[in-house]
Amino acid sequence: GAGVSQSPSNKVTEKGKDVELRCDPISGHTALYWYRQSLGQGLEFLIYFQGNSAPDKSGLPSDRFSAERTGGSVSTLTIQRTQQEDSAVYLCASSLDAGGAKTQYFGPGTRLLVL
Amino acid sequence: GENVEQHPSTLSVQEGDSAVIKCTYSDSASNYFPWYKQELGKRPQLIIDIRSNVGEKKDQRIAVTLNKTAKHFSLHITETQPEDSAVYFCAASKGAGSYQLTFGKGTKLSVIP
Repeated sequence: GAGVSQSPSNKVTEKGKDVELRCDPISGHTALYWYRQSLGQGLEFLIYFQGNSAPDKSGLPSDRFSAERTGGSVSTLTIQRTQQEDSAVYLCASSLDAGGAKTQYFGPGTRLLVL
Repeated sequence: GENVEQHPSTLSVQEGDSAVIKCTYSDSASNYFPWYKQELGKRPQLIIDIRSNVGEKKDQRIAVTLNKTAKHFSLHITETQPEDSAVYFCAASKGAGSYQLTFGKGTKLSVIP
């Protein structure tokens, strides 16, 4: 079946602009995760959803970052007033649910460049 | 919170040789340890995982070992091939009741033909 998809694949924006990144999880997966991968670095956890709820937002780096999920499916990560240090690859993953260490399947990522 | 250290950061091996990547974790409550392979410009893909109720798991040329007492786990790739060249990430989570994967910083493996 279809895997996790993300859009856009690449985004170039100017400092100070807002951006929206989209994630479509695997159908039937109730848990959805956002990670950030800076150049040459590991994956940094940002936030996760179980259904439409985000029980833990502590990984979000600042209040310029927010995320929502509607209908238990698509999620949007919004970065307001982008800064150059926001440049990174933003990866989304989904799993059947968040309990019992279910395998997380990753999307291809959105490569964000803030000029 | 959990902290995962991964070594080495880069590894070069001759085709046919074995490669070993090691990770340590800090939280003794962690009980799920996946390994992901990420080829250049592509998404991370799960290659093998291990849960704390076993000490070793093998899948063809890939094996993972876990030492809960010492809080470390390792990835072993035997008979390496050029297509094994990629960045490998280890991760740890507490499994049930927890969701967050904490990743190591990655190991860039180069297999020289």
